[in-house]
Amino acid sequence: DVKVTQSSRYLVKRTGEKVFLECVQDMDHENMFWYRQDPGLGLRLIYFSYDVKMKEKGDIPEGYSVSREKKERFSLILESASTNQTSMYLCAASPAGNQPQHFGDGTRLSIL
Amino acid sequence: GNSVTQMEGPVTLSEEAFLTINCTYTATGYPSLFWYVQYPGEGLQLLLKATKADDKGSNKGFEATYRKETTSFHLEKGSVQVSDSAVYFCALSSINSGGSNYKLTFGKGTLLTVNP
Repeated sequence: DVKVTQSSRYLVKRTGEKVFLECVQDMDHENMFWYRQDPGLGLRLIYFSYDVKMKEKGDIPEGYSVSREKKERFSLILESASTNQTSMYLCAASPAGNQPQHFGDGTRLSIL
Repeated sequence: GNSVTQMEGPVTLSEEAFLTINCTYTATGYPSLFWYVQYPGEGLQLLLKATKADDKGSNKGFEATYRKETTSFHLEKGSVQVSDSAVYFCALSSINSGGSNYKLTFGKGTLLTVNP
């Protein structure tokens, strides 16, 4: 069965810290995505990647960066965490082309 | 740009009631349309999809028809169950500016609560 695994379900960090959120997929999919989910705002795309070492900005990339050194792993990096980055973060993967995305269970990140 | 508008919740129904969650979209070209469901404490799961006009997607008793003339993709179920309580997201898939890959645009989600 399809599996997207996010390394942490809950994470608490402090303002100014560098934060890494990890996502691994076992489906050999080309595309990977990072979203944040906030009440009343739905899902917003932060960054996505359609190949190893490739990345594209989504709708809200400010304050974030990403890394994709291997096909199965896509990391989201908060360079200097701020309280407005407290949110639920969702990772997804999909095959190339117009295909549905498969989601991980999410990481609920709190920045204090 | 592309956008998806779905009815605001929360929606509260009794078991066996009829469900409709409205979804309309704005997009260039011919997007694919999706409904995703998010159960408490979980990520999103694909519920159903439709890839061209007049297609009907269906799964687990849920249905939605791709209506190009009204730019709509309303979700319906004839008889809801307590286990259907979740957040439902309408989404469209569009090609990115580089013309090589697709990304999803989501609505804000509708919380459905079904009471016994």
